[in-house]
Amino acid sequence: NAGVMQNPRHLVRRRGQEARLRCSPMKGHSHVYWYRQLPEEGLKFMVYLQKENIIDESGMPKERFSAEFPKEGPSILRIQQVVRGDSAAYFCASSLGRGNQPQHFGDGTRLSIL
Amino acid sequence: GNSVTQMEGPVTLSEEAFLTINCTYTATGYPSLFWYVQYPGEGLQLLLKATKADDKGSNKGFEATYRKETTSFHLEKGSVQVSDSAVYFCALEGNRDDKIIFGKGTRLHILP
Repeated sequence: NAGVMQNPRHLVRRRGQEARLRCSPMKGHSHVYWYRQLPEEGLKFMVYLQKENIIDESGMPKERFSAEFPKEGPSILRIQQVVRGDSAAYFCASSLGRGNQPQHFGDGTRLSIL
Repeated sequence: GNSVTQMEGPVTLSEEAFLTINCTYTATGYPSLFWYVQYPGEGLQLLLKATKADDKGSNKGFEATYRKETTSFHLEKGSVQVSDSAVYFCALEGNRDDKIIFGKGTRLHILP
């Protein structure tokens, strides 16, 4: 069983470009979570999605950031017009369901903004 | 709101030393508590968890006990190895929540 797959592992963008981060959940998981880890910090929750629905986006910046989890294909975290402060590691986790279901994490995408 | 506070690192120990990493939390209700480990360049792996008061989570020689009276979940290991060098995160998930709240992490260095 493959775990949570994130790609790319490393992404370099110049200021003003767009960044697209992909996450394929574990097989059978329909719940996806995105977290951001700034240097020397813990992970901060960004958004929680189920297939085709955003359940909780309380941790998402109000501008430039969006997330989707379509019926087919991976979940996408999209950052428009990136700035230096967006440099971070972005982790995706997936679970079978809500409540007591454990979240399984991918290896992350490390985004660097030049 | 919910929060997690863990001791700052880095923590440097010699091999076979005793390890304690302190973690306290603030939460309403009865959260689940976790310790995650992050090896260099990798994602987070769940190390152990406890879902109710007085539960003890354990894995790979690590232990932590859910103490509601002191709102703590300290991580311990009796004899650390060089391979335990990593960053350790204490975390909680509220019982009405779907997101995990993480502490800032504690970097552990084990010297041979």
